Amino acid sequence: DAKTTQPPSMDCAEGRAANLPCNHSTISGNEYVYWYRQIHSQGPQYIIHGLKNNETNEMASLIITEDRKSSTLILPHATLRDTAVYYCIVRAAQGGSEKLVFGKGTKLTVNP
Amino acid sequence: DAEITQSPRHKITETGRQVTLACHQTWNHNNMFWYRQDLGHGLRLIHYSYGVQDTNKGEVSDGYSVSRSNTEDLPLTLESAASSQTSVYFCASSVYGRNGELFFGEGSRLTVL
Repeated sequence: DAKTTQPPSMDCAEGRAANLPCNHSTISGNEYVYWYRQIHSQGPQYIIHGLKNNETNEMASLIITEDRKSSTLILPHATLRDTAVYYCIVRAAQGGSEKLVFGKGTKLTVNP
Repeated sequence: DAEITQSPRHKITETGRQVTLACHQTWNHNNMFWYRQDLGHGLRLIHYSYGVQDTNKGEVSDGYSVSRSNTEDLPLTLESAASSQTSVYFCASSVYGRNGELFFGEGSRLTVL
């Protein structure tokens, strides 16, 4: 699975959009980008995933660049409850390596 | 509502003891996974199962075993607990064919003295 690079920490004001970047320059054609988050002391929570088109669900939006070498997770209106570590993961959706390599992620702090 | 539960949530044991961590899910998911999380290492896969009677080793399987006798449960056993196995353990499950979308339990914190 391709490796990802994320900033170690970010801050965001409550009510504003939080834009979390991820670089995955070695991504392969069949690999998807997944995002998870982990709120302190809880299990990781799946947020969203995509291949090359932008995706949106009730939690967030995922913007993937045309060359697929980077992506951005957008939380449109961040709340204090969005404070968590966010993990960007690249893996094949079908088959391939079965493990999710979580890395160190980005610690997002939403400030009042 | 369907859910995934782990027990016990906290356990303290002694070196050499056998310990079993339980994981139970009510989604009827085929796939189940055990991870451990340690500072500086992120989450690492211990064992996983794609269905009843199926088990597979992950990247850190030494000293651990699992068995899958039904769809709902994947207990994790530490045959002889070691201090290096002090960690937070997470169980997860997913629908067949959607291995990237895992649903995690709340974790079990194990301390081996």
